[in-house]
Amino acid sequence: AQSVSQHNHHVILSEAASLELGCNYSYGGTVNLFWYVQYPGQHLQLLLKYFSGDPLVKGIKGFEAEFIKSKFSFNLRKPSVQWSDTAEYFCAVTPGSSASKIIFGSGTRLSIRP
Amino acid sequence: GAGVSQSPSNKVTEKGKDVELRCDPISGHTALYWYRQSLGQGLEFLIYFQGNSAPDKSGLPSDRFSAERTGGSVSTLTIQRTQQEDSAVYLCASSLAGRRTEAFFGQGTRLTVV
Repeated sequence: AQSVSQHNHHVILSEAASLELGCNYSYGGTVNLFWYVQYPGQHLQLLLKYFSGDPLVKGIKGFEAEFIKSKFSFNLRKPSVQWSDTAEYFCAVTPGSSASKIIFGSGTRLSIRP
Repeated sequence: GAGVSQSPSNKVTEKGKDVELRCDPISGHTALYWYRQSLGQGLEFLIYFQGNSAPDKSGLPSDRFSAERTGGSVSTLTIQRTQQEDSAVYLCASSLAGRRTEAFFGQGTRLTVV
């Protein structure tokens, strides 16, 4: 069965620090990969997505993620975080071969100290 | 409407009562998903509807949970004989047909069983 692992449950950073949140998935075939973000009091929204092509994808608000097939990873990065990045971040996967349910990781809570 | 709409936004019910949660997806979206988000947990998949295909019910935690989608649009998640462990935020999402699409989430229904 497909699964997604986010090993960092809570990350605390100071403003301007660099960020990397880990995401690993288990699925043998082609995959579609997503990062969603949930800001306090708001609904989940898409941060970025990977379907195919360039494994380095850029999303909104300066975020990027790199798909490394050999490591089954899709880590999220941002060179310099801001206080407004405080949120919960979810990695998600769907199989690339057919429309299907989306499997989410357990989420990483990011707290930014001003 | 412009986004996924869920009602009610909050629901407090007594243990043993039945509850119905409603989801209005984005017009034209053929895929609809239900997830459950408990405090400190990730998004637990419940059920997935895609067009006229049989729904993927593999995530429903017990036979007390059921969902239907009438006319390919509005969906209702029903929980019978509610238990305290059912307390959570229930999220609905919808997406266009196909495997390379993102899901759009509603604000959720916060269910509290007392």
